[in-house]
Amino acid sequence: GESVGLHLPTLSVQEGDNSIINCAYSNSASDYFIWYKQESGKGPQFIIDIRSNMDKRQGQRVTVLLNKTVKHLSLQIAATQPGDSAVYFCAEKVTGSARQLTFGSGTQLTVLP
Amino acid sequence: EAQVTQNPRYLITVTGKKLTVTCSQNMNHEYMSWYRQDPGLGLRQIYYSMNVEVTDKGDVPEGYKVSRKEKRNFPLILESPSPNQTSLYFCASSFGQGKTPREKLFFGSGTQLSVL
Repeated sequence: GESVGLHLPTLSVQEGDNSIINCAYSNSASDYFIWYKQESGKGPQFIIDIRSNMDKRQGQRVTVLLNKTVKHLSLQIAATQPGDSAVYFCAEKVTGSARQLTFGSGTQLTVLP
Repeated sequence: EAQVTQNPRYLITVTGKKLTVTCSQNMNHEYMSWYRQDPGLGLRQIYYSMNVEVTDKGDVPEGYKVSRKEKRNFPLILESPSPNQTSLYFCASSFGQGKTPREKLFFGSGTQLSVL
């Protein structure tokens, strides 16, 4: 089956800098994408989602960008804080499919003081 | 508080000893699912349920069983656990719409299982 993957397994950024976490997907039929944050010892928590009819969606300090041409998704975190240190997962889905989200392997974000 | 509750948080067992991990949600969600999380492999779906008495296999169902007798509960059963089932397990739920789940999944805090 097709899979969702991440370019880098780890990312370190200075506190206050912006973070960019990338994700490549291969299923061209996927039309819904979502980012989750998983802190140590906790379950994944929803951050932001985007549908394929959009290129960009903004939340509080986070922005998701979708480039359907190259099947690429990114999560931008503005003014990264120590509390942002976590593993970030992207996931994809085909709307209307009985199957739920297909997850990537995750990127560990570490915020340096 | 809306939540997905799993128990236990940690479990150590021996090969072949049947065990059950419980999952309960209080959000009246139709859809529930179990995932296992292994280093470098991300979250892989074991089983899912679209509603009461409706269950189906995910990507890695071998060695697991589930049941959905009530809407709020979705236990994961390992009839004869083996060491390769040592993993971090997550239960998740979401609203459903007909035969399809809504996208936003809510996750439990996880169960770390070690099979010796």
